[in-house]
Amino acid sequence: AQTVTQSQPEMSVQEAETVTLSCTYDTSENNYYLFWYKQPPSRQMILVIRQEAYKQQNATENRFSVNFQKAAKSFSLKISDSQLGDTAMYFCAFMKHGASGAGSYQLTFGKGTKLSVIP
Amino acid sequence: DVKVTQSSRYLVKRTGEKVFLECVQDMDHENMFWYRQDPGLGLRLIYFSYDVKMKEKGDIPEGYSVSREKKERFSLILESASTNQTSMYLCASSIIGEEETQYFGPGTRLLVL
Repeated sequence: AQTVTQSQPEMSVQEAETVTLSCTYDTSENNYYLFWYKQPPSRQMILVIRQEAYKQQNATENRFSVNFQKAAKSFSLKISDSQLGDTAMYFCAFMKHGASGAGSYQLTFGKGTKLSVIP
Repeated sequence: DVKVTQSSRYLVKRTGEKVFLECVQDMDHENMFWYRQDPGLGLRLIYFSYDVKMKEKGDIPEGYSVSREKKERFSLILESASTNQTSMYLCASSIIGEEETQYFGPGTRLLVL
């Protein structure tokens, strides 16, 4: 079974600054996906960024980038030039890649990090 | 854009009531999921379905059942609601071939008194 650990329940950052959210995971799988999801207050959960484990290059999406360390099983999210709209719960999640059976589509989530961007 | 909708944003029920939570997606997705979200616990998978009338238990299926009679609709059923089922319930869907991308609904916040 996979586990995902987010060690920072809450964080805050000044507007326009950079913040890094931590995530570690435990798995015996070699092929998998890692995700960061964002859930703004009272709004829908949306995908921020995705990383495929076989890709060495770290994924980036505009102001969001990851630091993927496969050997260390670490997957941190860096938010640059933080904006007030980045205030949200952030969840790190894991999914097996290419496994057979319906269970291969299951996402395993961390407990979340509540990020507040301060004006 | 994919749209996943849930029948209620807020719901208040009494202990022992039978509760139905409905989820509908409009993109012909084969896979649908029900999660429960609790503070400090993240999201936990209750049930998922990969086709009409097909279902699989997730990590916390106890006290819940599901129904999928049509491809676009996935229902979560609490046969006899209990106070420990007070929670936020999230529905999600994904398409075969792109299973790594799940689209979430807005959630239903259920309070069981």
